[in-house]
Amino acid sequence: AQSVAQPEDQVNVAEGNPLTVKCTYSVSGNPYLFWYVQYPNRGLQFLLKYITGDNLVKGSYGFEAEFNKSQTSFHLKKPSALVSDSALYFCAVRDLNYGGATNKLIFGTGTLLAVQP
Amino acid sequence: AAGVIQSPRHLIKEKRETATLKCYPIPRHDTVYWYQQGPGQDPQFLISFYEKMQSDKGSIPDRFSAQQFSDYHSELNMSSLELGDSALYFCASSLDGSAYNEQFFGPGTRLTVL
Repeated sequence: AQSVAQPEDQVNVAEGNPLTVKCTYSVSGNPYLFWYVQYPNRGLQFLLKYITGDNLVKGSYGFEAEFNKSQTSFHLKKPSALVSDSALYFCAVRDLNYGGATNKLIFGTGTLLAVQP
Repeated sequence: AAGVIQSPRHLIKEKRETATLKCYPIPRHDTVYWYQQGPGQDPQFLISFYEKMQSDKGSIPDRFSAQQFSDYHSELNMSSLELGDSALYFCASSLDGSAYNEQFFGPGTRLTVL
């Protein structure tokens, strides 16, 4: 079964510093990986995805993620954090257990990013 | 750009009552997914539809049912509500159900069962 793990419940970073939110995956076959952000009382907003190609994926709001096959990781990064980046971040993997016929997302447990001014 | 619309945004019901949640996907999106997010939890997949047919089923109770209509909007019907059904219910839509396409989420319906 496909799964993702987010080992950190919370990440604290000072504004202007680089940030990393960790995600590791476990899949059979090729992984289709996604990052979403959730602000309080809001829906999930798509940030970026890895399907194939370059290991460094660039997304919205200056975020990027690095796909590392050997470490089965897909960490979310940003060179310089903003206070407005404070939110809940979810890593997700596409579930392809049934020969690709099912495409639901399986989410990690989420990481709360707190950026201090 | 048009986004996924969900209604109502907030809903308060008593135990054993019924509730209907509506989802209007992004125009031209033919695939709809429903997720349930409990307090402090990650979203859990409930059910999905592609071209008005159920395409997958997750941890959806038998008390719940859903369908997708000819205009691609979807409704989640919940009966015999229980306290544990209190959660944020998200609808997401995507284009053609392909694994490559990201899902776009609506703002959610917050259901409170008293």
